Amino acid sequence: AQSVTQLDSHVSVSEGTPVLLRCNYSSSYSPSLFWYVQHPNKGLQLLLKYTSAATLVKGINGFEAEFKKSETSFHLTKPSAHMSDAAEYFCVLSNDYKLSFGAGTTVTVRA
Amino acid sequence: EAQVTQNPRYLITVTGKKLTVTCSQNMNHEYMSWYRQDPGLGLRQIYYSMNVEVTDKGDVPEGYKVSRKEKRNFPLILESPSPNQTSLYFCASKVRGIGVGNQPQHFGDGTRLSIL
Repeated sequence: AQSVTQLDSHVSVSEGTPVLLRCNYSSSYSPSLFWYVQHPNKGLQLLLKYTSAATLVKGINGFEAEFKKSETSFHLTKPSAHMSDAAEYFCVLSNDYKLSFGAGTTVTVRA
Repeated sequence: EAQVTQNPRYLITVTGKKLTVTCSQNMNHEYMSWYRQDPGLGLRQIYYSMNVEVTDKGDVPEGYKVSRKEKRNFPLILESPSPNQTSLYFCASKVRGIGVGNQPQHFGDGTRLSIL
Protein backbone atom coordinates (compact mmCIF):
# COMPACT_ATOMS: atom_id res chain seq x y z
CA ALA A 1 0.00 0.00 0.00
CA GLN A 2 1.13 3.53 -0.62
CA SER A 3 0.07 6.77 0.98
CA VAL A 4 0.98 10.43 1.21
CA THR A 5 0.58 12.79 4.15
CA GLN A 6 0.87 16.53 3.79
CA LEU A 7 1.55 17.79 7.25
CA ASP A 8 0.03 21.26 6.88
CA SER A 9 -3.39 21.95 5.43
CA HIS A 10 -2.67 25.67 5.26
CA VAL A 11 0.51 27.76 5.17
CA SER A 12 0.60 31.54 5.30
CA VAL A 13 3.78 33.48 4.45
CA SER A 14 4.79 37.05 3.74
CA GLU A 15 5.93 37.98 0.28
CA GLY A 16 9.69 37.60 -0.02
CA THR A 17 10.01 35.05 2.81
CA PRO A 18 10.74 31.33 2.43
CA VAL A 19 8.04 28.75 1.87
CA LEU A 20 8.17 25.19 3.24
CA LEU A 21 5.52 22.60 2.42
CA ARG A 22 5.96 19.27 4.15
CA CYS A 23 5.20 15.87 2.69
CA ASN A 24 5.76 12.38 4.10
CA TYR A 25 5.13 9.23 2.14
CA SER A 26 4.75 5.52 2.71
CA SER A 27 5.67 3.08 -0.02
CA SER A 28 6.81 -0.52 -0.18
CA TYR A 29 8.93 0.13 -3.26
CA SER A 30 11.21 2.84 -4.57
CA PRO A 31 8.85 5.77 -5.03
CA SER A 32 8.28 8.25 -7.79
CA LEU A 33 7.20 11.50 -6.21
CA PHE A 34 5.78 14.67 -7.69
CA TRP A 35 4.60 18.07 -6.58
CA TYR A 36 1.70 19.67 -8.42
CA VAL A 37 0.22 23.14 -8.03
CA GLN A 38 -3.40 24.11 -8.59
CA HIS A 39 -4.34 27.75 -8.94
CA PRO A 40 -7.97 28.72 -8.29
CA ASN A 41 -10.34 27.34 -10.92
CA LYS A 42 -7.46 25.80 -12.82
CA GLY A 43 -6.15 22.32 -13.50
CA LEU A 44 -3.03 20.77 -12.02
CA GLN A 45 0.40 21.87 -13.15
CA LEU A 46 3.54 19.84 -12.53
CA LEU A 47 6.12 21.66 -10.40
CA LEU A 48 8.78 18.97 -10.18
CA LYS A 49 9.38 15.24 -10.02
CA TYR A 50 11.67 12.79 -8.26
CA THR A 51 12.35 9.49 -9.98
CA SER A 52 15.41 8.11 -8.13
CA ALA A 53 18.06 10.26 -9.77
CA ALA A 54 19.32 13.28 -7.77
CA THR A 55 17.80 13.67 -4.31
CA LEU A 56 17.55 17.45 -4.65
CA VAL A 57 15.13 18.25 -7.42
CA LYS A 58 14.69 21.65 -8.99
CA GLY A 59 11.38 22.61 -10.51
CA ILE A 60 9.69 25.52 -12.15
CA ASN A 61 9.17 28.99 -10.65
CA GLY A 62 12.06 28.65 -8.19
CA PHE A 63 10.69 25.65 -6.29
CA GLU A 64 12.80 22.71 -5.25
CA ALA A 65 12.29 19.58 -3.19
CA GLU A 66 14.58 17.22 -1.35
CA PHE A 67 14.00 13.48 -1.19
CA LYS A 68 15.08 11.96 2.13
CA LYS A 69 14.65 8.20 2.18
CA SER A 70 15.59 7.85 5.86
CA GLU A 71 12.82 10.27 6.81
CA THR A 72 10.40 9.18 4.04
CA SER A 73 9.94 12.84 3.23
CA PHE A 74 9.77 14.99 0.12
CA HIS A 75 9.43 18.57 1.32
CA LEU A 76 8.93 21.45 -1.10
CA THR A 77 10.67 24.78 -0.61
CA LYS A 78 11.06 28.15 -2.24
CA PRO A 79 13.50 30.77 -0.94
CA SER A 80 11.31 33.79 -1.59
CA ALA A 81 7.53 33.68 -1.95
CA HIS A 82 5.75 35.70 -4.60
CA MET A 83 2.12 36.72 -4.64
CA SER A 84 1.58 34.45 -7.64
CA ASP A 85 2.53 31.43 -5.49
CA ALA A 86 -0.83 31.59 -3.72
CA ALA A 87 -2.42 28.27 -4.67
CA GLU A 88 -3.02 24.74 -3.50
CA TYR A 89 -0.12 22.30 -3.62
CA PHE A 90 -0.30 18.53 -3.83
CA CYS A 91 2.36 15.98 -3.05
CA VAL A 92 1.82 12.87 -5.15
CA LEU A 93 3.21 9.33 -5.00
CA SER A 94 3.12 7.27 -8.16
CA ASN A 95 3.73 3.82 -9.46
CA ASP A 96 3.06 2.87 -13.04
CA TYR A 97 -0.71 2.99 -12.80
CA LYS A 98 -1.75 4.56 -9.52
CA LEU A 99 -1.38 8.06 -8.16
CA SER A 100 -1.84 8.71 -4.46
CA PHE A 101 -2.46 12.34 -3.61
CA GLY A 102 -1.93 14.13 -0.36
CA ALA A 103 -4.88 16.15 0.91
CA GLY A 104 -3.25 19.37 -0.26
CA THR A 105 -1.70 22.46 1.31
CA THR A 106 -3.22 25.86 0.64
CA VAL A 107 -0.64 28.63 0.49
CA THR A 108 -1.58 32.23 1.08
CA VAL A 109 0.92 35.03 0.54
CA ARG A 110 0.62 38.28 2.47
CA ALA A 111 1.77 41.51 0.88
CA GLU B 1 -0.34 21.66 -28.58
CA ALA B 2 -0.20 18.64 -26.28
CA GLN B 3 -3.31 18.56 -24.17
CA VAL B 4 -6.01 16.65 -22.36
CA THR B 5 -9.47 17.96 -23.19
CA GLN B 6 -12.52 17.40 -21.03
CA ASN B 7 -16.13 18.22 -21.86
CA PRO B 8 -18.26 19.66 -20.51
CA ARG B 9 -16.41 21.98 -18.15
CA TYR B 10 -19.51 22.61 -16.07
CA LEU B 11 -22.73 20.66 -15.71
CA ILE B 12 -25.72 20.94 -13.43
CA THR B 13 -28.10 18.01 -13.63
CA VAL B 14 -30.61 16.03 -11.59
CA THR B 15 -30.45 12.75 -9.76
CA GLY B 16 -30.81 9.70 -11.97
CA LYS B 17 -30.25 11.34 -15.34
CA LYS B 18 -27.41 9.53 -17.10
CA LEU B 19 -24.46 11.64 -18.11
CA THR B 20 -21.11 11.22 -19.82
CA VAL B 21 -18.00 13.32 -19.38
CA THR B 22 -15.66 13.00 -22.32
CA CYS B 23 -11.87 13.01 -22.16
CA SER B 24 -9.53 13.10 -25.12
CA GLN B 25 -5.74 13.33 -25.33
CA ASN B 26 -3.56 14.05 -28.35
CA MET B 27 -0.24 12.73 -27.04
CA ASN B 28 -0.67 9.06 -27.96
CA HIS B 29 -0.47 8.11 -24.28
CA GLU B 30 -1.23 4.53 -23.30
CA TYR B 31 -2.37 5.37 -19.80
CA MET B 32 -5.45 7.42 -18.88
CA SER B 33 -7.20 7.95 -15.59
CA TRP B 34 -10.11 9.72 -13.90
CA TYR B 35 -10.02 11.46 -10.53
CA ARG B 36 -12.45 13.33 -8.38
CA GLN B 37 -11.42 16.20 -6.15
CA ASP B 38 -13.25 16.98 -2.94
CA PRO B 39 -12.26 19.55 -0.29
CA GLY B 40 -9.82 18.17 2.26
CA LEU B 41 -9.43 14.87 0.41
CA GLY B 42 -7.12 15.78 -2.43
CA LEU B 43 -7.73 13.82 -5.63
CA ARG B 44 -8.93 10.24 -5.54
CA GLN B 45 -8.64 7.86 -8.42
CA ILE B 46 -11.91 6.54 -9.88
CA TYR B 47 -10.79 4.34 -12.78
CA TYR B 48 -7.72 3.98 -14.92
CA SER B 49 -6.80 2.39 -18.23
CA MET B 50 -3.42 0.97 -19.13
CA ASN B 51 -4.29 0.74 -22.82
CA VAL B 52 -7.15 0.19 -25.25
CA GLU B 53 -9.74 -2.25 -23.86
CA VAL B 54 -7.87 -2.45 -20.53
CA THR B 55 -9.50 -0.71 -17.57
CA ASP B 56 -9.40 -1.19 -13.81
CA LYS B 57 -10.90 0.25 -10.66
CA GLY B 58 -9.20 2.92 -8.64
CA ASP B 59 -10.02 3.84 -5.07
CA VAL B 60 -13.58 5.15 -5.52
CA PRO B 61 -15.19 3.39 -8.51
CA GLU B 62 -18.73 2.97 -7.13
CA GLY B 63 -21.35 4.65 -9.29
CA TYR B 64 -19.06 5.16 -12.30
CA LYS B 65 -18.31 3.35 -15.54
CA VAL B 66 -15.60 3.85 -18.13
CA SER B 67 -14.66 2.49 -21.52
CA ARG B 68 -11.52 2.63 -23.63
CA LYS B 69 -12.35 1.75 -27.19
CA GLU B 70 -9.79 4.10 -28.71
CA LYS B 71 -6.41 5.15 -27.44
CA ARG B 72 -7.20 8.86 -27.36
CA ASN B 73 -10.60 8.75 -25.60
CA PHE B 74 -11.60 7.71 -22.10
CA PRO B 75 -15.17 8.75 -21.23
CA LEU B 76 -16.54 8.69 -17.69
CA ILE B 77 -20.15 7.55 -17.41
CA LEU B 78 -22.52 8.16 -14.53
CA GLU B 79 -25.46 5.83 -15.20
CA SER B 80 -27.62 7.12 -12.35
CA PRO B 81 -25.96 10.17 -10.79
CA SER B 82 -26.58 10.97 -7.14
CA PRO B 83 -25.84 14.12 -5.11
CA ASN B 84 -22.77 12.52 -3.49
CA GLN B 85 -21.17 12.52 -6.92
CA THR B 86 -21.17 16.30 -6.97
CA SER B 87 -17.49 17.04 -7.35
CA LEU B 88 -14.69 18.36 -9.53
CA TYR B 89 -13.46 15.70 -11.95
CA PHE B 90 -10.11 15.48 -13.69
CA CYS B 91 -8.94 13.30 -16.51
CA ALA B 92 -5.23 12.61 -16.94
CA SER B 93 -2.92 10.73 -19.26
CA LYS B 94 0.71 9.70 -19.38
CA VAL B 95 3.25 7.49 -21.05
CA ARG B 96 3.63 4.22 -19.18
CA GLY B 97 6.83 3.63 -17.23
CA ILE B 98 8.17 2.79 -13.79
CA GLY B 99 11.11 3.89 -11.69
CA VAL B 100 13.18 6.50 -13.47
CA GLY B 101 10.86 6.04 -16.43
CA ASN B 102 7.80 7.02 -14.44
CA GLN B 103 6.49 10.10 -16.13
CA PRO B 104 4.13 12.68 -14.68
CA GLN B 105 0.51 12.70 -15.62
CA HIS B 106 -0.93 15.46 -17.79
CA PHE B 107 -4.24 16.76 -16.47
CA GLY B 108 -7.25 18.25 -18.15
CA ASP B 109 -8.76 21.50 -16.87
CA GLY B 110 -11.48 19.72 -14.92
CA THR B 111 -15.24 19.24 -15.06
CA ARG B 112 -17.39 20.59 -12.28
CA LEU B 113 -20.50 18.44 -11.81
CA SER B 114 -23.42 19.45 -9.64
CA ILE B 115 -26.11 16.82 -9.13
CA LEU B 116 -29.30 18.06 -7.53
